[in-house]
Amino acid sequence: GENVEQHPSTLSVQEGDSAVIKCTYSDSASNYFPWYKQELGKRPQLIIDIRSNVGEKKDQRIAVTLNKTAKHFSLHITETQPEDSAVYFCAATLGENTGTASKLTFGTGTRLQVTL
Amino acid sequence: DAGVTQSPTHLIKTRGQHVTLRCSPISGHKSVSWYQQVLGQGPQFIFQYYEKEERGRGNFPDRFSARQFPNYSSELNVNALLLGDSALYLCASSLADRVNGYTFGSGTRLTVV
Repeated sequence: GENVEQHPSTLSVQEGDSAVIKCTYSDSASNYFPWYKQELGKRPQLIIDIRSNVGEKKDQRIAVTLNKTAKHFSLHITETQPEDSAVYFCAATLGENTGTASKLTFGTGTRLQVTL
Repeated sequence: DAGVTQSPTHLIKTRGQHVTLRCSPISGHKSVSWYQQVLGQGPQFIFQYYEKEERGRGNFPDRFSARQFPNYSSELNVNALLLGDSALYLCASSLADRVNGYTFGSGTRLTVV
C-alpha cells in the first residue's frame, strides 16, 4: 500500500520567515495530495491540495509543489505568522480512481512553531 | 450549515469493554470515512462507507466494525477494547466517494484504561 514520509517532524521559524515541509510517497499511482492543518485539540482542516496533473499551486501565502518523477511534494508557507503555528499533515491517495476506496494516507506530521 | 458532528466528544472505557462512536455527515454528503489518530501520529484510515455500503477497510482487526444508516449517519464500533485503542477517532464526510471535499469532524477522544 501507499506510504507517506514527512519531514521535518518539528520546525521553528521566526515570524516573517518562510517554512517548508517535505513529503515523499511510494505509490506512483497516487493522484491527489492534500495538506491539512491541525491546531491543538481541533480537527484537521484542508489548507491546500494538488492533483497529479499540476506541478504547483498557490493560495496567498501558501503554495504546494509536486514532483511526480521523484514522488515528492512540498508545502511552502511564506511570511509566517504566529497563527500559522500548528501541526501540518501531508497526505496522498489514489482514490480518485473509480471503484477504489477513497482513503487518505497521511504523513506523520510536522509541528510548526512561529516565534515572535 | 452544520458541519460534521461526532458524539461523544470524550469517552473513557475499561479494557475489554466495547464502544460505539457516532457521526453525522454534512447534509447532502453520502460518504463517511473513519480515521484513528494516535497521539503524535497522522490519522490512519479505518473504513469508508458510501451509499450505505462499505467501500474500503484499512488494516484494523475485526474488533472494529462500522455501518452507515439510511440518513447517511454512521457508527463505528470497537469491541474488546485494548489500551492501544486510545486515540482520537475522526469522521470525515464528502459529497461523493472521493477524498476531495473531505470535511473532518472534531473527533471523539477515546481513552482506554
